[in-house]
Amino acid sequence: AQKITQTQPGMFVQEKEAVTLDCTYDTSDPSYGLFWYKQPSSGEMIFLIYQGSYDQQNATEGRYSLNFQKARKSANLVISASQLGDSAMYFCLISNFGNEKLTFGTGTRLTIIP
Amino acid sequence: EAGVAQSPRYKIIEKRQSVAFWCNPISGHATLYWYQQILGQGPKLLIQFQNNGVVDDSQLPKDRFSAERLKGVDSTLKIQPAKLEDSAVYLCASSLAFGQGAGYNEQFFGPGTRLTVL
Repeated sequence: AQKITQTQPGMFVQEKEAVTLDCTYDTSDPSYGLFWYKQPSSGEMIFLIYQGSYDQQNATEGRYSLNFQKARKSANLVISASQLGDSAMYFCLISNFGNEKLTFGTGTRLTIIP
Repeated sequence: EAGVAQSPRYKIIEKRQSVAFWCNPISGHATLYWYQQILGQGPKLLIQFQNNGVVDDSQLPKDRFSAERLKGVDSTLKIQPAKLEDSAVYLCASSLAFGQGAGYNEQFFGPGTRLTVL
């Protein structure tokens, strides 16, 4: 069985500040991938960043970076220089390579304050 | 490149009625997913296809939900009969199969179908 936990149901951050969204996971599969998706109020799911369990370096994509601590089973998303358009729900997702099982977390609602 | 298409975008039905949703994935994507997202929650995987075979349907309520992907391309999700608790957004997503491309299965999502059961 696998599990994703996002402990922050909601966060308020001042514009231009950095923000860290927490994600911890539990899986018995040695090979897995971790994803972050953004869901604005319009409802579409937007892929942000991916980290493979065997990747040596933390993933980065523009203003997004992933703080991957494998021993702690955490994959926190860091957004630098937040913008008003970053206000949305953010979901962490784990995908086990062995059985291709997918599990989403419960999400964090991020609100950027001008 | 065209994205994942879903129809209808909105549907309102009464309980005990039937409803069907359609999804057309991105061309060439072997894997297709149906998710149920209840308001305020994360998406829950209902069923995952690879081509026209089922990979995972462990969370599909099979007494009322059914899904098919006959030719390994587009897919239909049906609810019969609907219950009040089926009110949700139904998301379809597609990805390349493992080993087919990037080495990881980034999912591309459609706009969803918002179902309201009265």
